[in-house]
Amino acid sequence: ETGVTQTPRHLVMGMTNKKSLKCEQHLGHNAMYWYKQSAKKPLELMFVYNFKEQTENNSVPSRFSPECPNSSHLFLHLHTLQPEDSALYLCASSQARVRQPQHFGDGTRLSIL
Amino acid sequence: AQSVTQLGSHVSVSEGALVLLRCNYSSSVPPYLFWYVQYPNQGLQLLLKYTTGATLVKGINGFEAEFKKSETSFHLTKPSAHMSDAAEYFCAVSDNNDMRFGAGTRLTVKP
Repeated sequence: ETGVTQTPRHLVMGMTNKKSLKCEQHLGHNAMYWYKQSAKKPLELMFVYNFKEQTENNSVPSRFSPECPNSSHLFLHLHTLQPEDSALYLCASSQARVRQPQHFGDGTRLSIL
Repeated sequence: AQSVTQLGSHVSVSEGALVLLRCNYSSSVPPYLFWYVQYPNQGLQLLLKYTTGATLVKGINGFEAEFKKSETSFHLTKPSAHMSDAAEYFCAVSDNNDMRFGAGTRLTVKP
């Protein structure tokens, strides 16, 4: 139990589908992150939210749309993805203003057909 | 800009042998340094971190790492490998504004 829960754990979708990834934490953290993990590459930071406000968008394509309705929940909305978007998507959280993710979820394994 | 280099994408040791995973970094300011472990089908788990003070940092599961400024290194060690240590290990560097991860080292432990 990491304290950060991601659903679903696996997702297979076509390029024209729309789906959402969900992340939830009840650790009292105020910063939440989305990372992309591809094979043999360093983790890529996608988005950072501090106190529900997006503080970083790391040049992520617009087919990825984050949403943070409160400090405990984070979503990643997906639409018209490409095959190269297949990866493990990790959510993380930390105390706010410290760009050091402390707790990671187990990730969503995304496969684009 | 910061960067992290992990030397060796794969390391294989025998059970009971010394584990040494190498990490070198570059940073224009005093860095914060981290090691994370990722078991199959799981997210990353923080093993240990260096912020300030003592340069030898002890973490969970018997791992430790030493910050060597002169060598810009933060190598991870464990005196005696256990089968349960088989996983992927990531080194990371942060200046509190940005955090960069290495590409990871996969550790295999042979019986």
